[in-house]
Amino acid sequence: QQQVRQSPQSLTVWEGETAILNCSYEDSTFNYFPWYQQFPGEGPALLISIRSVSDKKEDGRFTIFFNKREKKLSLHITDSQPGDSATYFCAASVGGYKLTFGTGTSLLVDP
Amino acid sequence: GALVYQYPRRTICKSGTSMRMECQAVGFQATSVAWYRQSPQKTFELIALSTVNSAIKYEQNFTQEKFPISHPNLSFSSMTVLNAYLEDRGLYLCGARELGGPQDTQYFGPGTRLLVL
Repeated sequence: QQQVRQSPQSLTVWEGETAILNCSYEDSTFNYFPWYQQFPGEGPALLISIRSVSDKKEDGRFTIFFNKREKKLSLHITDSQPGDSATYFCAASVGGYKLTFGTGTSLLVDP
Repeated sequence: GALVYQYPRRTICKSGTSMRMECQAVGFQATSVAWYRQSPQKTFELIALSTVNSAIKYEQNFTQEKFPISHPNLSFSSMTVLNAYLEDRGLYLCGARELGGPQDTQYFGPGTRLLVL
């Protein structure tokens, strides 16, 4: 059973548009949700994270919206740039030690 | 800033042989190191969680006999893939959690890509 799900599997947006990446989870004990950005041939890099006590976290062009009741969260990337083209992974954990990753969303930003 | 190095970045081994990979935390002290494997399809599997001065906890389907881990200090960890076969191929990632750092934050290295012939 996939504990963390992501959609869409792939997404293409034009430069300057807002990309919306979705994530949902099963385990209600999860309380920490990082998003990682991964470029081909590299390891995942922490992009932004949120704890379950918050419903929104913003860092520059990246914003996480969190709905605890529905066990859903989304990553919004505003003013998307070609350099944002990468695979984005939503992860979840209890306390941050053992991360459960989603299957990723491959984002392509067309110039 | 917190950096995690992994060595080697890429390795090829013959089926049935073993290979060792290393993980080094630079610029911070890692209280715990988690080893993951990312499959060619990009899915992640947690192999084990290693905390200094505590027993290493392996996830289901992964054993110490197959993936022995050493975590001798707060900046270094190594893992060996023993008797590697085709199903062991993938990108092996180490995620280090910083002592006294932002709560829950786990930093990843670039990974060691294992190819098995």
